[in-house]
This record gives sequence, structure tokens and C-alpha cells, in this order.
Amino acid sequence: GIQVEQSPPDLILQEGANSTLRCNFSDSVNNLQWFHQNPWGQLINLFYIPSGTKQNGRLSATTVATERYSLLYISSSQTTDSGVYFCAVEKGGGATNKLIFGTGTLLAVQP
Amino acid sequence: ETGVTQTPRHLVMGMTNKKSLKCEQHLGHNAMYWYKQSAKKPLELMFVYNFKEQTENNSVPSRFSPECPNSSHLFLHLHTLQPEDSALYLCASSQEGTGGFPSSTDTQYFGPGTRLTVL
Repeated sequence: GIQVEQSPPDLILQEGANSTLRCNFSDSVNNLQWFHQNPWGQLINLFYIPSGTKQNGRLSATTVATERYSLLYISSSQTTDSGVYFCAVEKGGGATNKLIFGTGTLLAVQP
Repeated sequence: ETGVTQTPRHLVMGMTNKKSLKCEQHLGHNAMYWYKQSAKKPLELMFVYNFKEQTENNSVPSRFSPECPNSSHLFLHLHTLQPEDSALYLCASSQEGTGGFPSSTDTQYFGPGTRLTVL
């Protein structure tokens, strides 16, 4: 099956700093999503981005499908950005959305 | 209520107990999912239901029994669990297209989870 690796595994930032999170995947995919899990366990979808670049406020994401990686950029980080960021991919072609999740990047933003 | 809700939020049970987790989605979606999240491990897909039919059983032990009575409700019935089953159980829903390949509408929306502890 597809392998999904995320880096770094842990990241500590001062408020206001920028960061880049990376997701590498081992096979071509038709679906790639970034999620944020807050400290209370709630998972929120950030981007659906199988290719190209998208931006939403201070967050943006870029997926280079031909090179099998995706990047999540967080600018001017805030303490509310703390939590775990997951990348999830799917090869596609099936009847349902079978996402394979990476191990996540644990982000702590300090005031 | 909006989005995806799960009850209970926390559950402590003994190995001989029988309990059920409930998930309800208010988004009009046609697919629902159960995931297990253990400490320091990626989310693991357990079951998928599409239009109330189970389309995926990811080699889950029979002590976990899913039920999807309609496209808005999903249950996970638990019996004779083991301590290693302690985890956060997450429910999700999505609107699946009919073309067989993902699209932006296939975004999954997650509930807040049930934190399960098996003693």
C-alpha cells in the first residue's frame, strides 16, 4: 500500500514565526488532504489539494504530484495553530474515499 | 446541531462489558467512516459505509461490530474488548461522487471523537 511520511515529527515555534511541513508519499495519488487536529482531538480539514497550490488566510499548501510530495505553509503562527497536522492520501478508483494518513507533525506554538 | 456529532465523548468500560458508540452527521452526506487513533500511531480506517452498505472492513476484529441504519447514523458496537483497544475513535462523513475517482467534494468531515478506555 501507499506509504505516507511526514516531517518534521515535532516542531516548536514562537508566535509569529513561519513554518513548512512536508508530506512525502510513495505512489501516485488522486486525493491528498491536509488536516489539523486540535489538542481536544477534533480533526478539521484544511485543504483538498491533489495538485497545485491553494491558500486560505495564513495557511497555504502546494502539492507536486509528479514528485510525490506536498507542503503546508503556516505564516505568522498563532498559539491556536498548535496541534497535530496530518496529511492523508488516496490512490482513487474505488467506490469510496479510503484515506491513508501519515503519522503527523506535532506543532506547539509558544506565546 | 451541525456537522458530525459523536456520543459519548468519553467511555470507560471493562473487558466483559457491551457498549455502543454513536455517530450522526447533519451534512446530507452518503458515506460514513469509523477510524481508530491510538497513541503515536496514524489514524487507521476501520469501516466504510456508502449509501448504508459496508464497502470496507479493514481487517477489524469481530469484537467491533458496525451498524449503519441510514445514511445519517453510524454505530460501533463493542463487546469483550481488550485493553489495547483503548484509543480515540473518530467518525467521519463525506459526499461521494459516482465517478469512482476523488474530487473536492470528497472531503471528509470528522466528529469530535470518543475517548475509549478499556480496563
